[in-house]
Amino acid sequence: AQKVTQAQTEISVVEKEDVTLDCVYETRDTTYYLFWYKQPPSGELVFLIRRNSFDEQNEISGRYSWNFQKSTSSFNFTITASQVVDSAVYFCALSGVPPSPGGGADGLTFGKGTHLIIQP
Amino acid sequence: EPEVTQTPSHQVTQMGQEVILRCVPISNHLYFYWYRQILGQKVEFLVSFYNNEISEKSEIFDDQFSVERPDGSNFTLKIRSTKLEDSAMYFCASSTRGTAYNSPLHFGNGTRLTVT
Repeated sequence: AQKVTQAQTEISVVEKEDVTLDCVYETRDTTYYLFWYKQPPSGELVFLIRRNSFDEQNEISGRYSWNFQKSTSSFNFTITASQVVDSAVYFCALSGVPPSPGGGADGLTFGKGTHLIIQP
Repeated sequence: EPEVTQTPSHQVTQMGQEVILRCVPISNHLYFYWYRQILGQKVEFLVSFYNNEISEKSEIFDDQFSVERPDGSNFTLKIRSTKLEDSAMYFCASSTRGTAYNSPLHFGNGTRLTVT
């Protein structure tokens, strides 16, 4: 069974601080995909990044960076120089390669989310 | 940028009533999904749909739930006889290919269902 653990329920930092959101996953699949989604107060889910299990290169996109460590089954997300607009719930999610003939229309397993509060 | 749209944004219904949640996925997407999020909890997978049939479903998706793609654009979730515990935010999502092919899900803004 797949499992995603986001141990940090809530994080509060002051604007401009760097903050790291932790994500630890469990899966028996040798090929899998990891995602981060942002859920702002308005409620929608916004895709941030996907990473496949064969690509352990860290990725940077502006103030966002992701650290994928297969050895520790972690896919952590760092926001540098945080801003008030970064305040949201952030979800880490996992998808394996399904055995079904559906060809990939499998569901994501989400973590419980980390509520990030950026104080001005 | 194309987006997934969901209607209504908020639905209030009485226990035992049928409710249909509607979604219009992104037009060139082939895979469709429903997720739900009970207030304050994590997002949970309900069902995925491809090639006009259910591809995968979770334990939550019991006989009270059904999905349909009645025409070329809409994707609906029906709850036959709502229960109080069905109160949640329901998200529709679509993707060009399945998540196993490195294709991200694009989510709609959600429909908040309140069962009284």
